[in-house]
Amino acid sequence: AQSVSQHNHHVILSEAASLELGCNYSYGGTVNLFWYVQYPGQHLQLLLKYFSGDPLVKGIKGFEAEFIKSKFSFNLRKPSVQWSDTAEYFCAVANYGGSQGNLIFGKGTKLSVKP
Amino acid sequence: DSGVTQTPKHLITATGQRVTLRCSPRSGDLSVYWYQQSLDQGLQFLIQYYNGEERAKGNILERFSAQQFPDLHSELNLSSLELGDSALYFCASSLRDSKVYEQFFGPGTRLTVL
Repeated sequence: AQSVSQHNHHVILSEAASLELGCNYSYGGTVNLFWYVQYPGQHLQLLLKYFSGDPLVKGIKGFEAEFIKSKFSFNLRKPSVQWSDTAEYFCAVANYGGSQGNLIFGKGTKLSVKP
Repeated sequence: DSGVTQTPKHLITATGQRVTLRCSPRSGDLSVYWYQQSLDQGLQFLIQYYNGEERAKGNILERFSAQQFPDLHSELNLSSLELGDSALYFCASSLRDSKVYEQFFGPGTRLTVL
């Protein structure tokens, strides 16, 4: 079965620091990868997604992620975080068993940005 | 606002009871997904419906069932509730049932079983 692991449970950064959140997935074939964000008290929102093509994917709010097939990784990055980036971040892979679109999520990384 | 609505926002009930969670997808979306978010298990896929038909099942217990109605809203029924069923239940919708379509998530229903 496919799985997604996120290395950090809780990351604390100061404003303007650079961010990198790790994500590894288990499936060795073609994958569709996603990063979602959940701001406090809000619903999950899509930050970015990778289906094919350029392995460096740009998303909303200055986030980007790099797909490295050889490392089974899809790490999320942002050069300079803001206090408003405080949220929980989830990496997900689309279930490749068929055409259905259900997602398999990692356990999430809570990001706290100190002003 | 994602356009997906869920009711109720909070639900407190006792062990052994049965509850129904409701989800209305975004206008035009045919596919509905249910996910459970708990502290120990994280976000887990439960079940998916597309245009009224069940399409995929995940880690859904036999005590749980769901359906999608002709107007495309969906209900998740949880019965014989146990303490461990306390969690946040999310509904998501997408235009079609393929992974290429973005899923839009609702605000969730927080279920507390006492």
